[in-house]
Amino acid sequence: GNSVTQMEGPVTLSEEAFLTINCTYTATGYPSLFWYVQYPGEGLQLLLKATKADDKGSNKGFEATYRKETTSFHLEKGSVQVSDSAVYFCALIYTGNQFYFGTGTSLTVIP
Amino acid sequence: DTEVTQTPKHLVMGMTNKKSLKCEQHMGHRAMYWYKQKAKKPPELMFVYSYEKLSINESVPSRFSPECPNSSLLNLHLHALQPEDSALYLCASSQVLSNYEQYFGPGTRLTVT
Repeated sequence: GNSVTQMEGPVTLSEEAFLTINCTYTATGYPSLFWYVQYPGEGLQLLLKATKADDKGSNKGFEATYRKETTSFHLEKGSVQVSDSAVYFCALIYTGNQFYFGTGTSLTVIP
Repeated sequence: DTEVTQTPKHLVMGMTNKKSLKCEQHMGHRAMYWYKQKAKKPPELMFVYSYEKLSINESVPSRFSPECPNSSLLNLHLHALQPEDSALYLCASSQVLSNYEQYFGPGTRLTVT
């Protein structure tokens, strides 16, 4: 079956620190992969996506590369800001029927 | 415009009330979704509409009744809810039912008393 395994949180970092949130997936075919961000009290916003192997998604300084050989889609940012504090969800979709979400990773960035 | 709007933003209802949640998108998307999200959890899929027809019902209790009056609108009718139904209800849309990203609305925070 299809599933997403996401790094446990919560994660607390100092401003300007390097961020990695791990995400690995299991899928029977070639899914599309996404990172969504949810700020407190809000809905989910699409952060970035990748639709095929070796694609790199990027947005707002965040990056993730679709690695088929390791079935991973780790989220990275070189220098986090306080405004990046949120919950991050890794997700995949395959055959269009359903998104499979990871459990979410809460990030807090302290000044 | 990549916006999905939801009303109301907050809703408090008693267990005997009938209320409706509304969702609207003007991106020309033909797939629309309802999700339920409890605190500190990922969204759980409830219903999927494709071309205004119900495509997926994830075994949701009948006290939740979805409706898709046209390609831009999605409603969720609520009746005789339980306190455990209190959650954030999210609407989303995508171009079609395929490997496309979903765009989420801000959600309706529902409290059942």
